[in-house]
Amino acid sequence: RKEVEQDPGPFNVPEGATVAFNCTYSNSASQSFFWYRQDCRKEPKLLMSVYSSGNEDGRFTAQLNRASQYISLLIRDSKLSDSATYLCVVIRPGGSYIPTFGRGTSLIVHP
Amino acid sequence: DADVTQTPRNRITKTGKRIMLECSQTKGHDRMYWYRQDPGLGLRLIYYSFDVKDINKGEISDGYSVSRQAQAKFSLSLESAIPNQTALYFCATREAGAGVEQFFGPGTRLTVL
Repeated sequence: RKEVEQDPGPFNVPEGATVAFNCTYSNSASQSFFWYRQDCRKEPKLLMSVYSSGNEDGRFTAQLNRASQYISLLIRDSKLSDSATYLCVVIRPGGSYIPTFGRGTSLIVHP
Repeated sequence: DADVTQTPRNRITKTGKRIMLECSQTKGHDRMYWYRQDPGLGLRLIYYSFDVKDINKGEISDGYSVSRQAQAKFSLSLESAIPNQTALYFCATREAGAGVEQFFGPGTRLTVL
């Protein structure tokens, strides 16, 4: 089992739709979790951190389920500009705090 | 000005050539990382450094070497480039700690013919 797994997609949705992505991780002792956004051939940029209590930022909601070892990202009212690849990042346990990236989930929002 | 810069942005080279990719940061972070990204494979860690002269191998370090001579600079070398090292390379920095963000450079697109 890979350390961090994501469905590569693509998820092809119309504007205004709600879409959700999951990311599973294998190490139950993983410490921190993030969602990054990557536009085509550009650098990844932090979208949001994922807290144990869940967190929301506008149309975006991230949740953590430690029992089942997955994190999720929900995007409501999708915009054309949301089209991108969404990368799940898990921080390995231990003092080195090494980030491990999932392969990413591609989202295409169409008119 | 960008906080994390990479040079060159694009490079085409031939098999067997030595190549150096440079990364500089103005964020004052101690931790720096080199990743490569291939289609469908996500970002894979090549090397990382927690301080000047501190070097650690990542998951795919074979065929690469790095140098951290100053806090703000972290260079990646391909001693003898081969075609399967054709990829998009990213440098990143972050502070120490579990819940902190990584900041990426704009990437270097390397093609080895």
